[in-house]
This record gives sequence, structure tokens and C-alpha cells, in this order.
Amino acid sequence: ERQLVESGGGLVQPGRSLRLSCVVSGFSFDDLAMHWVRQVPGKGLEWVSGITWNSGTIGYAESVQGRFSISRDNAKRSVYLQMNSLRTEDTAFYYCAIDRSGRFDWLDSWGQGTLVTVSS
Amino acid sequence: QSVLTQPPSASGTPGQRVTISCSGSSSNIGRNYVYWYRQLPGTAPKLLIYRNNLRPSEVPDRFSGSKSGTSASLAISGLRSEDEAEYYCASWDDSLIGPYVFGSGTKVTVL
Repeated sequence: ERQLVESGGGLVQPGRSLRLSCVVSGFSFDDLAMHWVRQVPGKGLEWVSGITWNSGTIGYAESVQGRFSISRDNAKRSVYLQMNSLRTEDTAFYYCAIDRSGRFDWLDSWGQGTLVTVSS
Repeated sequence: QSVLTQPPSASGTPGQRVTISCSGSSSNIGRNYVYWYRQLPGTAPKLLIYRNNLRPSEVPDRFSGSKSGTSASLAISGLRSEDEAEYYCASWDDSLIGPYVFGSGTKVTVL
């Protein structure tokens, strides 16, 4: 079965860190680029970060540059988002998505999301 | 506010054709592909159109995309009740390593 499963969300205080994980099954993970997209409940979509199939190219939204870090472990079929210095405005559902081009092109399939709440 | 501009809402009766516009600039739509996503309430977004006008195999041909200059549009023909959802356009901005920018979203209502 093809699926993406995010985990690691939860309630965290401002200034603290959190690490999100996304495990992919049913796809040839080594060939995929991976992305993280977030959505404040009831609001629009915001791309957070992306990483190509070989980790050769990584991109970040300006709003998270320097605070968030994306990585992948192809052996574990997983992509991660390390979120440091969290702010209240980082509160959102975080989705991982695959990009079958292997580079940065289209976000093909999405997970169901994990909720991150940053609050004191 | 969003880099790409969409109308907040659109509507039609069953069987009608609805078109959603997406306006950008020379740094995004003007030089890169456009993508369209649909999001039903409480669910993750789903890809509808990629590279301006291509459909994933599982997306019906009632959905079509086009691009001209710095604008794009999504057309839904033969509108159905299950098409009631939020629709987002997207494009890479400035360079192909990001950011990937989304439109503000258009809520389609089937009357």
C-alpha cells in the first residue's frame, strides 16, 4: 500500500525544538524528492522545505531559514524536519509530500499531516 | 498574503463549467510550471494538475489546466457535488530550489 505517515507533532513551548518524521511505503523512496508543507488550521498552504533524492539540493522557505533543517535516510525510507527555535507562528499541520521527479517539481502524494502547536 | 492570487470563491450548478484563475509574476508563473491541488475538508491536499496542463492518471479529464504569461487557470467541466472543495494553485518562485509558492485558495461551491 502506498502511504506516507508523519509523526512527531505535539505541543511545545516557544523557543524549544521538535523533530518531525515521515515514513514512506509503496514508493521507490530512493528516487523521490521529499517536501514538507504546513497549514495553519483554516488557512492556506505554505511550503516549508524540500530535499532532492540524493540530498544534493535542499531548499527552505524564508520564514524557516536558519531554524529548520530537512534531512533524509533512504535506508529507513524516511524524511525528517528538525525544527529549532520554534515560534507561535509555526503552529500548523505539517504534511510531508513526495515528488516523483526526484528534483523539485510537483508534490505528488501527501501524508495526512501531524499537528504542531507552539504555545506556552 | 499569498504570492499567487486566486479569487476566494467560485460556484456553479451541477453539470456547469467553472474556471478558477491564478495570477502571479515573472518570477514564478512567468518562468516556471503551474500546479493545481484540491483539498477536501479535513483531508490532505491532492494533486490535480502538474506542469501547467498534465493530469495524473487517476484525475478525470473534467479537470484541465492552462497557463498564459504570468497567469494560469483551472477549469472544471461537468461540475459534480464532490467537486466542492478548496483549490490551490502553486508554482516555484524565482529558482527551482524554492520557495514553492501557493495561491490563497479558492472555495468552490456546488449550488
